[in-house]
Amino acid sequence: IAGITQAPTSQILAAGRRMTLRCTQDMRHNAMYWYRQDLGLGLRLIHYSNTAGTTGKGEVPDGYSVSRANTDDFPLTLASAVPSQTSVYFCASSDSSSGGANTQYFGPGTRLTVL
Amino acid sequence: GQNIDQPTEMTATEGAIVQINCTYQTSGFNGLFWYQQHAGEAPTFLSYNVLDGLEEKGRFSSFLSRSKGYSYLLLKELQMKDSASYLCAVRDSNYQLIWGAGTKLIIKP
Repeated sequence: IAGITQAPTSQILAAGRRMTLRCTQDMRHNAMYWYRQDLGLGLRLIHYSNTAGTTGKGEVPDGYSVSRANTDDFPLTLASAVPSQTSVYFCASSDSSSGGANTQYFGPGTRLTVL
Repeated sequence: GQNIDQPTEMTATEGAIVQINCTYQTSGFNGLFWYQQHAGEAPTFLSYNVLDGLEEKGRFSSFLSRSKGYSYLLLKELQMKDSASYLCAVRDSNYQLIWGAGTKLIIKP
């Protein structure tokens, strides 16, 4: 069982290019999340999805879009990358359907550099 | 606004005990999490507190006081592999996690 996988591991991208970061989980979790992590700042939520077919905006959604066509996949798209989107991106998932802690589990991350 | 405060960096000696504090001001409270993050890796779940008191899990314990907006993570019998960042996060009234910037813990022999 892989848990959560992300691709690519790292990427250098020219400003203005379109980029999709992939995230797949095999835990059948209903909820998925995209965060960015920048030095000196806490993880910031970009977008989330509580269940397949629904998405919501987090704290820093501008310049990003997501889709949730099925339970397992939650891609993040940068329509036209800008240097301020240089960051480490983490995908996470949780099972919010059974109550309790609803702990989030993280993928290995994608290190993105926009030049 | 919402705010999670943790010390930026702490240093401790192998075999010792260290306490990492976290204070929070959030719109609502639905639980507090501690995660460990080694450099270049993903955060991994350590503990969850939703009621006041101490939760013990092996060498790690986490304490919560909701009235004071305060938590701490206690690490005992420190090992070199405990060198990492420790992230405090609070679930707010919208059931979203608000994250602190993390505390980098350096363990010296």
